[in-house]
Amino acid sequence: AQKVTQAQTEISVVEKEDVTLDCVYETRDTTYYLFWYKQPPSGELVFLIRRNSFDEQNEISGRYSWNFQKSTSSFNFTITASQVVDSAVYFCALTNDYKLSFGAGTTVTVRA
Amino acid sequence: EAGVAQSPRYKIIEKRQSVAFWCNPISGHATLYWYQQILGQGPKLLIQFQNNGVVDDSQLPKDRFSAERLKGVDSTLKIQPAKLEDSAVYLCASSSTGTPYNEQFFGPGTRLTVL
Repeated sequence: AQKVTQAQTEISVVEKEDVTLDCVYETRDTTYYLFWYKQPPSGELVFLIRRNSFDEQNEISGRYSWNFQKSTSSFNFTITASQVVDSAVYFCALTNDYKLSFGAGTTVTVRA
Repeated sequence: EAGVAQSPRYKIIEKRQSVAFWCNPISGHATLYWYQQILGQGPKLLIQFQNNGVVDDSQLPKDRFSAERLKGVDSTLKIQPAKLEDSAVYLCASSSTGTPYNEQFFGPGTRLTVL
């Protein structure tokens, strides 16, 4: 069985603050893929990043960075210098085949 | 490149009524997914199609939900009869293949309210 836990339900920050979203996962598989998606108020989920279980290298893309640690089964996401446009619901997801298991999501509100 | 299209965007019905949702995936995408997203939760897969065949419908409540993908392109999800607990956003997604590392592209969803 696969499970993704996003313990933070809501996070509110002031613009330019950094925000870190936690994601902890459970799986018995040795090969799996982790994802982060963003869901803005318009509703569609937007793909942010994909990681396979053999690649623990951290990644930075602009103001976004991801920290993957297999030892703690975590795949955390940090937004640096947040902006109002970052306000959205962020989902962490896990798959070992085609079926994505999503966490419950973290709502990020960035105030001007 | 056009994204995943869904219609309608919003639908309000009374319980026990029927409703249908339509999805047009990205051109050339063989795999199509329907998800149900209840408020405050992550999306849950209802059914996956590979071309016009069903790959997985294990979480589809088959007593009231049905889906088809004729000709391997557009898809329709139907609920008959609807229950209050069916109130949710129904998301359609597509990917070029059904392999796990392929990104899924999502449509804007249909928000269903059952009164």
